[in-house]
Amino acid sequence: AQKITQTQPGMFVQEKEAVTLDCTYDTSDPSYGLFWYKQPSSGEMIFLIYQGSYDQQNATEGRYSLNFQKARKSANLVISASQLGDSAMYFCAMREGGFGLTGGGNKLTFGTGTQLKVEL
Amino acid sequence: EPEVTQTPSHQVTQMGQEVILRCVPISNHLYFYWYRQILGQKVEFLVSFYNNEISEKSEIFDDQFSVERPDGSNFTLKIRSTKLEDSAMYFCASSHTGTGVSYEQYFGPGTRLTVT
Repeated sequence: AQKITQTQPGMFVQEKEAVTLDCTYDTSDPSYGLFWYKQPSSGEMIFLIYQGSYDQQNATEGRYSLNFQKARKSANLVISASQLGDSAMYFCAMREGGFGLTGGGNKLTFGTGTQLKVEL
Repeated sequence: EPEVTQTPSHQVTQMGQEVILRCVPISNHLYFYWYRQILGQKVEFLVSFYNNEISEKSEIFDDQFSVERPDGSNFTLKIRSTKLEDSAMYFCASSHTGTGVSYEQYFGPGTRLTVT
């Protein structure tokens, strides 16, 4: 089974509108973290937002928020007030296990991504 | 702001040749990673490195691959005998300062490897 599923290969949104990018995950580990990265056409990976499995509140970072529904195993990214510069590929990723230095388990498992295009 | 750097940005090599991809992680980070992304596909984990040894590797990371931290700053990925299917973007990342909880992995800009 896929650990991270992103079912929207492509999304369009109008400038200044909000958009939700879907991500569901699969893990039996009670301790995990969920990440969103942005990859513009230039290719670099830009960290956007993080949600820990024990966090009580949904994470927010500026115009980005993460709609974390633990029972549904979903971690959707919401971008408010879309801008043209938001056009990019967006990847959801998960890290399973604790966050300490020892014990390994630090690798990120990525989804297949959603290509977002913001239109005027 | 500190950042991960990678060189070269683009490497073209012939099948069967050895390549070394170089990375300079963020200076006070302790965990280092290599990921790859075949064109149009998702990012895949290759290997993580901590305390001068490999802490985890994927099934992709076979005997053709090796990693090294030759000095206090560089982190390298070597592919001994490149194949056409090794053509991909290779990302280096680093994390963990050793104090408190650190979760974010900072990615470098990537090296695009083209094997002909």
